[in-house]
Amino acid sequence: DQQVKQNSPSLSVQEGRISILNCDYTNSMFDYFLWYKKYPAEGPTFLISISSIKDKNEDGRFTVFLNKSAKHLSLHIVPSQPGDSAVYFCAASARGNTPLVFGKGTRLSVIA
Amino acid sequence: GAGVSQSPSNKVTEKGKDVELRCDPISGHTALYWYRQSLGQGLEFLIYFQGNSAPDKSGLPSDRFSAERTGGSVSTLTIQRTQQEDSAVYLCATRIGQGPSPLHFGNGTRLTVT
Repeated sequence: DQQVKQNSPSLSVQEGRISILNCDYTNSMFDYFLWYKKYPAEGPTFLISISSIKDKNEDGRFTVFLNKSAKHLSLHIVPSQPGDSAVYFCAASARGNTPLVFGKGTRLSVIA
Repeated sequence: GAGVSQSPSNKVTEKGKDVELRCDPISGHTALYWYRQSLGQGLEFLIYFQGNSAPDKSGLPSDRFSAERTGGSVSTLTIQRTQQEDSAVYLCATRIGQGPSPLHFGNGTRLTVT
Protein backbone atom coordinates (compact mmCIF):
# COMPACT_ATOMS: atom_id res chain seq x y z
CA ASP A 1 0.00 0.00 0.00
CA GLN A 2 1.57 3.24 -1.17
CA GLN A 3 1.48 5.84 1.59
CA VAL A 4 2.83 8.62 -0.64
CA LYS A 5 1.51 8.89 -4.17
CA GLN A 6 2.62 10.98 -7.11
CA ASN A 7 0.03 10.22 -9.72
CA SER A 8 1.67 12.03 -12.61
CA PRO A 9 4.77 10.19 -13.84
CA SER A 10 5.70 13.09 -16.10
CA LEU A 11 5.00 16.77 -16.70
CA SER A 12 6.07 19.07 -19.51
CA VAL A 13 6.10 22.86 -19.08
CA GLN A 14 7.25 25.81 -21.15
CA GLU A 15 10.17 27.83 -19.84
CA GLY A 16 8.95 30.81 -17.83
CA ARG A 17 5.62 29.21 -16.92
CA ILE A 18 4.60 27.69 -13.60
CA SER A 19 5.26 24.01 -12.87
CA ILE A 20 2.90 22.37 -10.39
CA LEU A 21 3.80 18.96 -9.03
CA ASN A 22 1.28 17.13 -6.87
CA CYS A 23 1.52 14.57 -4.11
CA ASP A 24 -1.08 12.76 -1.99
CA TYR A 25 -0.56 10.82 1.20
CA THR A 26 -2.65 8.43 3.22
CA ASN A 27 -0.98 8.28 6.65
CA SER A 28 -2.51 10.87 8.97
CA MET A 29 0.53 10.52 11.28
CA PHE A 30 2.78 12.22 8.72
CA ASP A 31 3.75 15.66 9.97
CA TYR A 32 6.85 16.55 7.96
CA PHE A 33 6.92 16.74 4.19
CA LEU A 34 9.76 17.31 1.75
CA TRP A 35 10.47 17.64 -1.95
CA TYR A 36 13.63 16.31 -3.53
CA LYS A 37 15.02 16.80 -7.00
CA LYS A 38 17.05 14.11 -8.75
CA TYR A 39 19.27 14.32 -11.80
CA PRO A 40 20.45 11.13 -13.57
CA ALA A 41 23.37 9.35 -11.87
CA GLU A 42 23.12 11.61 -8.82
CA GLY A 43 21.48 11.20 -5.45
CA PRO A 44 18.31 13.12 -4.61
CA THR A 45 18.91 16.71 -3.53
CA PHE A 46 16.75 18.34 -0.89
CA LEU A 47 14.66 21.24 -2.21
CA ILE A 48 12.14 22.40 0.35
CA SER A 49 10.19 21.11 3.32
CA ILE A 50 7.08 21.95 5.31
CA SER A 51 5.83 20.86 8.71
CA SER A 52 2.20 20.14 9.41
CA ILE A 53 1.77 23.30 11.47
CA LYS A 54 2.10 25.36 8.30
CA ASP A 55 0.21 25.40 5.02
CA LYS A 56 2.79 27.16 2.89
CA ASN A 57 6.55 27.49 2.72
CA GLU A 58 8.42 29.50 0.15
CA ASP A 59 12.07 29.52 -0.93
CA GLY A 60 12.89 31.60 -3.96
CA ARG A 61 11.17 30.13 -7.00
CA PHE A 62 9.91 27.14 -5.03
CA THR A 63 6.75 27.09 -2.91
CA VAL A 64 5.24 24.09 -1.18
CA PHE A 65 1.57 24.07 -0.21
CA LEU A 66 0.08 21.64 2.29
CA ASN A 67 -3.62 20.82 2.58
CA LYS A 68 -3.90 18.57 5.62
CA SER A 69 -7.61 17.95 5.34
CA ALA A 70 -7.15 16.68 1.79
CA LYS A 71 -3.83 14.99 2.61
CA HIS A 72 -2.35 16.73 -0.37
CA LEU A 73 0.72 18.77 -1.05
CA SER A 74 2.04 20.49 -4.10
CA LEU A 75 5.26 22.07 -5.28
CA HIS A 76 5.08 25.20 -7.39
CA ILE A 77 8.08 26.31 -9.41
CA VAL A 78 7.81 29.76 -10.95
CA PRO A 79 9.22 30.73 -13.31
CA SER A 80 10.30 27.32 -14.59
CA GLN A 81 13.77 27.07 -16.09
CA PRO A 82 15.35 24.39 -18.31
CA GLY A 83 17.71 23.50 -15.46
CA ASP A 84 14.69 22.48 -13.41
CA SER A 85 14.24 19.44 -15.68
CA ALA A 86 14.68 16.48 -13.34
CA VAL A 87 12.70 13.88 -11.42
CA TYR A 88 10.95 15.31 -8.36
CA PHE A 89 10.18 13.13 -5.36
CA CYS A 90 7.72 13.90 -2.63
CA ALA A 91 8.52 12.43 0.80
CA ALA A 92 6.89 12.35 4.22
CA SER A 93 7.59 11.17 7.73
CA ALA A 94 5.95 10.97 11.13
CA ARG A 95 7.58 12.68 14.12
CA GLY A 96 11.22 12.16 14.98
CA ASN A 97 13.72 10.23 12.92
CA THR A 98 11.29 7.77 11.38
CA PRO A 99 12.34 6.98 7.81
CA LEU A 100 11.10 9.18 5.01
CA VAL A 101 8.52 7.52 2.79
CA PHE A 102 8.91 8.49 -0.86
CA GLY A 103 6.59 8.69 -3.81
CA LYS A 104 7.59 7.24 -7.18
CA GLY A 105 8.53 10.61 -8.60
CA THR A 106 7.40 12.94 -11.37
CA ARG A 107 9.70 13.66 -14.30
CA LEU A 108 9.56 17.38 -15.10
CA SER A 109 10.67 18.60 -18.51
CA VAL A 110 11.00 22.34 -18.98
CA ILE A 111 11.05 23.21 -22.65
CA ALA A 112 12.93 26.28 -23.82
CA GLY B 1 34.45 16.19 0.62
CA ALA B 2 31.64 17.45 2.76
CA GLY B 3 28.89 15.25 1.37
CA VAL B 4 27.85 11.62 1.77
CA SER B 5 30.28 9.41 -0.12
CA GLN B 6 29.36 5.99 -1.49
CA SER B 7 31.56 3.35 -3.07
CA PRO B 8 31.73 1.77 -5.51
CA SER B 9 29.66 3.92 -7.83
CA ASN B 10 28.94 0.91 -10.02
CA LYS B 11 29.09 -2.80 -9.27
CA VAL B 12 28.41 -5.68 -11.62
CA THR B 13 28.26 -9.10 -10.02
CA GLU B 14 27.20 -12.60 -10.93
CA LYS B 15 24.09 -14.09 -9.45
CA GLY B 16 24.90 -15.92 -6.23
CA LYS B 17 27.90 -13.78 -5.26
CA ASP B 18 28.05 -11.57 -2.16
CA VAL B 19 28.52 -7.81 -2.44
CA GLU B 20 29.44 -5.07 0.02
CA LEU B 21 28.45 -1.45 -0.48
CA ARG B 22 30.06 1.32 1.54
CA CYS B 23 28.78 4.65 2.83
CA ASP B 24 30.85 7.42 4.41
CA PRO B 25 28.46 9.84 6.13
CA ILE B 26 28.68 13.57 6.63
CA SER B 27 30.72 14.22 9.74
CA GLY B 28 28.52 14.79 12.77
CA HIS B 29 25.41 13.24 11.26
CA THR B 30 24.20 10.65 13.73
CA ALA B 31 21.36 9.17 11.69
CA LEU B 32 22.17 7.02 8.63
CA TYR B 33 19.71 5.42 6.22
CA TRP B 34 19.92 2.99 3.33
CA TYR B 35 17.38 3.14 0.52
CA ARG B 36 17.22 1.49 -2.86
CA GLN B 37 15.63 2.58 -6.10
CA SER B 38 14.67 -0.06 -8.60
CA LEU B 39 13.96 0.87 -12.21
CA GLY B 40 10.86 3.07 -12.45
CA GLN B 41 10.20 2.90 -8.73
CA GLY B 42 10.43 5.31 -5.84
CA LEU B 43 12.94 5.08 -3.05
CA GLU B 44 12.41 2.02 -0.88
CA PHE B 45 13.57 2.24 2.74
CA LEU B 46 15.88 -0.59 3.84
CA ILE B 47 17.46 0.13 7.24
CA TYR B 48 18.40 2.98 9.50
CA PHE B 49 20.88 3.64 12.30
CA GLN B 50 20.50 6.29 14.97
CA GLY B 51 23.47 6.81 17.25
CA ASN B 52 24.09 3.76 19.45
CA SER B 53 20.51 2.51 19.28
CA ALA B 54 19.62 -0.81 17.69
CA PRO B 55 19.07 -0.32 13.95
CA ASP B 56 15.60 -0.29 12.44
CA LYS B 57 15.77 -3.20 10.00
CA SER B 58 12.10 -3.19 9.11
CA GLY B 59 12.68 -2.43 5.42
CA LEU B 60 15.17 -5.19 4.62
CA PRO B 61 13.54 -7.36 1.94
CA SER B 62 15.11 -10.67 3.02
CA ASP B 63 17.67 -12.16 5.38
CA ARG B 64 20.23 -11.98 2.57
CA PHE B 65 20.48 -8.26 3.35
CA SER B 66 22.37 -6.92 6.35
CA ALA B 67 24.08 -3.71 7.32
CA GLU B 68 26.37 -2.46 10.01
CA ARG B 69 27.67 0.88 11.11
CA THR B 70 31.05 0.81 12.80
CA GLY B 71 31.90 3.41 15.42
CA GLY B 72 28.87 5.47 14.50
CA SER B 73 30.50 6.44 11.22
CA VAL B 74 31.05 4.31 8.10
CA SER B 75 28.30 1.89 7.14
CA THR B 76 28.38 -1.18 4.92
CA LEU B 77 25.38 -2.85 3.33
CA THR B 78 25.96 -6.51 2.51
CA ILE B 79 23.87 -8.56 0.13
CA GLN B 80 24.56 -12.28 0.21
CA ARG B 81 23.82 -14.68 -2.64
CA THR B 82 22.70 -11.87 -4.92
CA GLN B 83 19.68 -12.35 -7.16
CA GLN B 84 18.76 -10.50 -10.34
CA GLU B 85 15.92 -8.71 -8.55
CA ASP B 86 18.54 -7.11 -6.29
CA SER B 87 19.65 -4.98 -9.25
CA ALA B 88 18.97 -1.37 -8.26
CA VAL B 89 20.62 1.85 -7.17
CA TYR B 90 21.45 1.68 -3.47
CA LEU B 91 21.41 5.08 -1.81
CA CYS B 92 22.81 6.08 1.55
CA ALA B 93 21.55 9.19 3.33
CA THR B 94 22.37 10.87 6.61
CA ARG B 95 20.92 13.60 8.75
CA ILE B 96 21.86 15.59 11.82
CA GLY B 97 19.85 13.54 14.30
CA GLN B 98 17.00 14.52 16.53
CA GLY B 99 13.95 16.26 15.17
CA PRO B 100 12.73 16.60 11.62
CA SER B 101 15.45 17.54 9.17
CA PRO B 102 16.22 16.71 5.55
CA LEU B 103 18.15 13.63 4.52
CA HIS B 104 21.34 14.27 2.58
CA PHE B 105 21.97 11.59 -0.03
CA GLY B 106 25.07 10.18 -1.62
CA ASN B 107 25.16 9.50 -5.35
CA GLY B 108 24.42 5.84 -4.84
CA THR B 109 25.86 2.52 -5.96
CA ARG B 110 24.34 1.07 -9.12
CA LEU B 111 24.27 -2.70 -8.60
CA THR B 112 23.74 -4.98 -11.58
CA VAL B 113 23.35 -8.70 -10.98
CA THR B 114 23.88 -10.78 -14.12
